[in-house]
Amino acid sequence: QVRLVQSGAEVKKPGASVNVSCKPSGYTFTRYYIHWVRQAPGQGLEWLGIINPSSGATNDAREFRGRFTMTTDTSTSTVYMELSSLRSDDTAVYYCVRDGEITGLGWFDTWGQGTLVTVSS
Amino acid sequence: DIVMTQSPDSLAVSLGERATINCKSSRSVLYSFNNKNSLAWYQQKPGQPPRLLIYWASTRESGVPDRFSGNGSTTDFTLTISSLQAEDVAVYYCQQHYGTPRTFGQGTKVEIK
Repeated sequence: QVRLVQSGAEVKKPGASVNVSCKPSGYTFTRYYIHWVRQAPGQGLEWLGIINPSSGATNDAREFRGRFTMTTDTSTSTVYMELSSLRSDDTAVYYCVRDGEITGLGWFDTWGQGTLVTVSS
Repeated sequence: DIVMTQSPDSLAVSLGERATINCKSSRSVLYSFNNKNSLAWYQQKPGQPPRLLIYWASTRESGVPDRFSGNGSTTDFTLTISSLQAEDVAVYYCQQHYGTPRTFGQGTKVEIK
């Protein structure tokens, strides 16, 4: 059974950084790309970026470039995201999601449980 | 970026009746490599992550009831729930998986009339 397990909720002050981990299981870690998506309270879904767990290559959304980083640790089969210079409007649930195609051009077939990041002074 | 626009924003349907949600992309999401449309549909219930329902515009994900169906091509797509059940109350999102950035529609809330 494919699962993505994320780290727990975080509360951060404006200007700080947050790290969220995502540990997939139930499949070969390096075979499928991982995306990050966020959802602000009561709002829709916003794509942040994609990482190839095998090569570490990334592609992120223009509006987050410069303060959003994705990394992978193949020794522990874990993917990480970091968002820096946090603002109040970064308050959201952050999801890691598996791409359904090994090309990285697929749908989002498995979602993590979500990590609530609250930015508040 | 490909802009995805859903309609309506919300709809109320009687139990057992048909619900139809529309999704329009700002440009074609037809993937020439396999002649399939790179369009997915998700269902999200309160407090839960989204759940994949449909991909390649019309391929139902394993375990999804057959009352859910997807249709359309190029820029215009629909998700149909043929006979609405109480457990289908949720927000539904379309998404293009043609490339990056991945983009979603704004969501359609489905309720019971």
